Amino acid sequence: GAVVSQHPSWVICKSGTSVKIECRSLDFQATTMFWYRQFPKQSLMLMATSNEGSKATYEQGVEKDKFLINHASLTLSTLTVTSAHPEDSSFYICSARDRTSGRNEQFFGPGTRLTVL
Amino acid sequence: SQKIEQNSEALNIQEGKTATLTCNYTNYSPAYLQWYRQDPGRGPVFLLLIRENEKEKRKERLKVTFDTTLKQSLFHITASQPADSATYLCALSSSASKIIFGSGTRLSIRP
Repeated sequence: GAVVSQHPSWVICKSGTSVKIECRSLDFQATTMFWYRQFPKQSLMLMATSNEGSKATYEQGVEKDKFLINHASLTLSTLTVTSAHPEDSSFYICSARDRTSGRNEQFFGPGTRLTVL
Repeated sequence: SQKIEQNSEALNIQEGKTATLTCNYTNYSPAYLQWYRQDPGRGPVFLLLIRENEKEKRKERLKVTFDTTLKQSLFHITASQPADSATYLCALSSSASKIIFGSGTRLSIRP
C-alpha cells in the first residue's frame, strides 16, 4: 500500500515552454501533498505544501507564479513549471501524507527529471 | 536556522560489517526523526520513524537511535550487503509539519 506515482518520469523541453508534472496517490487519500526539488548530490528542498481544495503554501524563495500547484482532488496534485529555463532543470519529487495515518509519514513518488534546453 | 548534518558524505564498508550513519541537528526540537533510502534517479523510500520519546527502534537488520539531549540519531545496518548500497537521508519534522531533510550519506558496501 501507500504508493505514489508521478508522470512523466522524465521530460525534456525547450526554454520558455511550460511543463506539467502529475502526482497521484494510488491507494490512499492525501489531504496534503508536498513538492520537492533536488539538485545533483544535494538534499531534497521543499518547494511547497499543497492542501486539497486550497491554495498551496510556498517556501521562501520559491516563486508561486512560476511553479503553479493545483491540488484538485484527494489523489492528485499537479506542478506546472511555467516559462521554464535551463536553471529549472532538476529532479522534482512529490510526496503525499495519508490522511488516515496518525503519524507524520510521507510517501514519495519516483520523481520527474526535468531538462530544459 | 534549523540545520541537519549527516556527518559523512560517503561511507565505504566491507560486506557483512555493520554500517553506522550519523545525523546531527541544531536549532530544532523535532517530534519525529525519519530515515529514508534513496537510489540514484529515484524518490526516497521510507525506512524507519522514531518519535522524540523513543530511544531506539528496530526493523529487521536496521536499528535507529534517537538522543534528544545530544540532538543526534544513529542509523545502523547490520550484516550489510551490497544491495544496501544507496544514499540514506535523515529527516526531521514536528507534529503534522513539513519534513526537513539532511544532505544524505552515500553508502557503498563492497563484496
